[in-house]
Amino acid sequence: DAGITQSPRHKVTETGTPVTLRCHQTENHRYMYWYRQDPGHGLRLIHYSYGVKDTDKGEVSDGYSVSRSKTEDFLLTLESATSSQTSVYFCAISGDVGRTGDQYFGPGTRLLVL
Amino acid sequence: ILNVEQSPQSLHVQEGDSTNFTCSFPSSNFYALHWYRWETAKSPEALFVMTLNGDEKKKGRISATLNTKEGYSYLYIKGSQPEDSATYLCALYTGFQKLVFGTGTRLLVSP
Repeated sequence: DAGITQSPRHKVTETGTPVTLRCHQTENHRYMYWYRQDPGHGLRLIHYSYGVKDTDKGEVSDGYSVSRSKTEDFLLTLESATSSQTSVYFCAISGDVGRTGDQYFGPGTRLLVL
Repeated sequence: ILNVEQSPQSLHVQEGDSTNFTCSFPSSNFYALHWYRWETAKSPEALFVMTLNGDEKKKGRISATLNTKEGYSYLYIKGSQPEDSATYLCALYTGFQKLVFGTGTRLLVSP
């Protein structure tokens, strides 16, 4: 298994509170991603990073921010959580593996916003 | 936005049945197609990656084919077992280190 951990694994929070999710990798891969998984939508990209301090938006980035100060860590922040952000969040990593774009996923974080 | 479609959305079969599902995409202008298997409470696990028209991949009872000219990939499971119950995701790699995922097919195999 790729060395990817996510913390916390489960979180319950209230609307309006800030929440930060952490993704940590031990593979020294350049690319890191945050997805959310919702019924009927598959995996949707929130933000991704292509290096330290280099990040860009995905298709569902509103309400989320990210930071990457070290190669191994990619943080996802919900500045003011809303109920629509209740979801399962997956982190993924990818190295420079040619033209197939292989990604490896972490175990996920289940977030419930009340 | 590239639209990757999967059908059916869900499937319920009996142990021993063979089954297949489809991933459809609009064009052949991509580099690779991935199949992932995702069990609830676990990480999505890579099954196959295919790049060429006519590619066929096999892992045990699971196999996949790719038709880039008509824009689809099939995933087959022969003799389904309860442990095959999972959501099967396909994803298209069109470059720029990003994958575009389909909505998944949820498979339930009853003993």
